[in-house]
Amino acid sequence: DAGVIQSPRHEVTEMGQEVTLRCKPISGHNSLFWYRQTMMRGLELLIYFNNNVPIDDSGMPEDRFSAKMPNASFSTLKIQPSEPRDSAVYFCASSPRGGSGNTIYFGEGSWLTVV
Amino acid sequence: AQKVTQAQTEISVVEKEDVTLDCVYETRDTTYYLFWYKQPPSGELVFLIRRNSFDEQNEISGRYSWNFQKSTSSFNFTITASQVVDSAVYFCALDSGSARQLTFGSGTQLTVLP
Repeated sequence: DAGVIQSPRHEVTEMGQEVTLRCKPISGHNSLFWYRQTMMRGLELLIYFNNNVPIDDSGMPEDRFSAKMPNASFSTLKIQPSEPRDSAVYFCASSPRGGSGNTIYFGEGSWLTVV
Repeated sequence: AQKVTQAQTEISVVEKEDVTLDCVYETRDTTYYLFWYKQPPSGELVFLIRRNSFDEQNEISGRYSWNFQKSTSSFNFTITASQVVDSAVYFCALDSGSARQLTFGSGTQLTVLP
């Protein structure tokens, strides 16, 4: 079975440019998550969707970040304009259902470097 | 508030040794779920196990075993007869209903030397 698919796997961009990260969750999963991993802050939740609706975006660092889920099989995380401090690994993840206790399955991550 | 503490930042062992990774959690919820994930050098996060707060039975899966003790709020992970391929960062995580999200510990970097 296909897992969570993310693209691009690696991205190097210049400060000020727009960055779009893409995610295809596991088929049939109703919840989708975007996490960010940095050395300083570890793994932190940015936003999660349930049935394509954003439920909690309190982890989105600032207005430069936005996320969409136009349908059950696709989501994007956009950073505009990007800054060097946005350099991190961005993980997309999905789980079968919303709510507590469901196992979350992660993609391979998108490694972003902003220079 | 919920919190996960993995006090061991780095552990190094020689192949075939047993190793235990510690995880201590804090939550006020009576219903919660604990997880372990593995992050190998290639970077992906691999799910290993999920345990709910009402099931304190220890679990064994091949060389992996988990010891859940509510009395000490711990969910420790033991690898028996470690192998070089076990080298990775291991994360413990907590999901309790009130927080509505998965809270990760800071991870333990395990290095298994040949």
